[in-house]
Amino acid sequence: DGGITQSPKYLFRKEGQNVTLSCEQNLNHDAMYWYRQDPGQGLRLIYYSQIVNDFQKGDIAEGYSVSREKKESFPLTVTSAQKNPTAFYLCASTPLTGPGDYGDTFGSGTRLTVV
Amino acid sequence: AQSVAQPEDQVNVAEGNPLTVKCTYSVSGNPYLFWYVQYPNRGLQFLLKYITGDNLVKGSYGFEAEFNKSQTSFHLKKPSALVSDSALYFCAVRALNSGNTPLVFGKGTRLSVIA
Repeated sequence: DGGITQSPKYLFRKEGQNVTLSCEQNLNHDAMYWYRQDPGQGLRLIYYSQIVNDFQKGDIAEGYSVSREKKESFPLTVTSAQKNPTAFYLCASTPLTGPGDYGDTFGSGTRLTVV
Repeated sequence: AQSVAQPEDQVNVAEGNPLTVKCTYSVSGNPYLFWYVQYPNRGLQFLLKYITGDNLVKGSYGFEAEFNKSQTSFHLKKPSALVSDSALYFCAVRALNSGNTPLVFGKGTRLSVIA
């Protein structure tokens, strides 16, 4: 089945550590997005990529980094510079011309907790 | 700049009663509007979208939404609520013909259906 796979489902980070969240899609979608979800704040855009080897900062990019070396993959690294990383992280994708009949496709999320 | 407002953090409704979850938007040009639903610790699931055409859009699980251009609104409705409809609902917008630029989300409305 086509879809987006995010891993791990749960991730624990110690103070000062970098951690990487995985996002893989087999939908042949061109654009991929990372959102952060905090209670009562909706979804906030961290980074997005509309094409391989190119990406743009979203509204809250500080303390995060991404790469887009392959069309299928868009990993997010939460660096030690991100002072409050505890949140639910969602990855999404959509085709080049915009979403089809079913909107942007979302992964099932990664819950990151600082310990 | 695009924006979405969901004026109610929480909506409570009795099972069997009609429900409405409100959404207003701001976008340059014509909008591409979406409703998504999220269950605990899960990704977002697409419910319905509006692009052009009939102002009343029908979607998954018996939900529908009414597009009102003059009021810049896109309220989600269901004639008879189920306990299983209890979840977090997000409205989102993208400017029409903007390709795969990121969606802009509202902060979400938590729907609670009481038996």
